[in-house]
Amino acid sequence: NAGVTQTPKFQVLKTGQSMTLQCAQDMNHEYMSWYRQDPGMGLRLIHYSVGAGITDQGEVPNGYNVSRSTTEDFPLRLLSAAPSQTSVYFCASSYSIYYSSYNEQFFGPGTRLTVL
Amino acid sequence: AQSVTQLGSHVSVSEGALVLLRCNYSSSVPPYLFWYVQYPNQGLQLLLKYTTGATLVKGINGFEAEFKKSETSFHLTKPSAHMSDAAEYFCAVSALIQGAQKLVFGQGTRLTINP
Repeated sequence: NAGVTQTPKFQVLKTGQSMTLQCAQDMNHEYMSWYRQDPGMGLRLIHYSVGAGITDQGEVPNGYNVSRSTTEDFPLRLLSAAPSQTSVYFCASSYSIYYSSYNEQFFGPGTRLTVL
Repeated sequence: AQSVTQLGSHVSVSEGALVLLRCNYSSSVPPYLFWYVQYPNQGLQLLLKYTTGATLVKGINGFEAEFKKSETSFHLTKPSAHMSDAAEYFCAVSALIQGAQKLVFGQGTRLTINP
């Protein structure tokens, strides 16, 4: 199993550009999520999905869009990049979240994004 | 609402010394608690978790944590630090909100090991 994979590893954007961060998992996990990591702030939840076709907002959703057409993939779209979106982005997945809040989340290696 | 506070953004210990990383939580429901470790330029991996039952939880790489409800704490310890323990450590609390798991992370503690 490759686990959770993310592409690209690094990206530099100019203000106003759009892009999609890719996330895929091969563990048949129902639950997938996106976090951003900023110094001194830990990880904050952007969006999450509890299954194909179902997504919801997390703590910091503004400026980001998601969709989930398959179990395996959960891309994160930046609609119009801003310097405040400079961060490290992590995708995570877990087996199931319904009525079970202790399933381990598996994290991808991250995407380091810089917006100029 | 759930929240986590990690005391100390940076902890430095000598190789062979005790490691103690502090975590306090706030939760309106019985908490599930986690410690994750992040090695440089990598994603997070689970060290250990507390769900129910025994309050002393053992994890990988010799780490353990004790859940103390009266103190709302879940501190991480290791008796003897090794150079390979240098990393950033995150405490997290999880709860079911509207049927979905939400993980709330602390701000992280960077552990440095001195030779």
